[in-house]
Amino acid sequence: DTEVTQTPKHLVMGMTNKKSLKCEQHMGHRAMYWYKQKAKKPPELMFVYSYEKLSINESVPSRFSPECPNSSLLNLHLHALQPEDSALYLCASSPRGTETQYFGPGTRLLVL
Amino acid sequence: DQQVKQNSPSLSVQEGRISILNCDYTNSMFDYFLWYKKYPAEGPTFLISISSIKDKNEDGRFTVFLNKSAKHLSLHIVPSQPGDSAVYFCAAPDGAQKLVFGQGTRLTINP
Repeated sequence: DTEVTQTPKHLVMGMTNKKSLKCEQHMGHRAMYWYKQKAKKPPELMFVYSYEKLSINESVPSRFSPECPNSSLLNLHLHALQPEDSALYLCASSPRGTETQYFGPGTRLLVL
Repeated sequence: DQQVKQNSPSLSVQEGRISILNCDYTNSMFDYFLWYKKYPAEGPTFLISISSIKDKNEDGRFTVFLNKSAKHLSLHIVPSQPGDSAVYFCAAPDGAQKLVFGQGTRLTINP
């Protein structure tokens, strides 16, 4: 089983809103990731959590705030986003001892 | 500096024929490579990987070849099917926990 789930599937928000994206995996994977993907571009890494601790932040603006409440759950809190933040937000996880990452279906975000 | 390159943005192949997608890399420290398939508005799906200790890995209709001296890998799909129409990304881990992706190749399988 290599399933990573993400909710919501679609999200529309205004620039003053606060919202959260949720990612879940029950495969016992110890690393979890947030990516952003724009149309016709490859996924762009935002954050990496390893054993529930933030290990990589790719200089992401503070209006994106990640949180890892437990080993199965990863959240991305959004506040005061800009229209250019509209994109597909992908979560991924990987098992210990491998570099293969398994992606969720993504959340399509539109910022108005 | 793009460490992983997919120089063909698109490829069109007839159903039943072989599809060959290419990927080049510049970092000789890369020792593991992955191919992902992506449909529009969905997350990438892991297809197949290869370690640098091998030069070929096969899984059903999908075979990946690695030429370390040329820093080149290719994904062969045979026979190609309409459901194979998607964007294909090659990727390599760059140190711990970070994947470096190519720009992707859009494969279209024509009936």
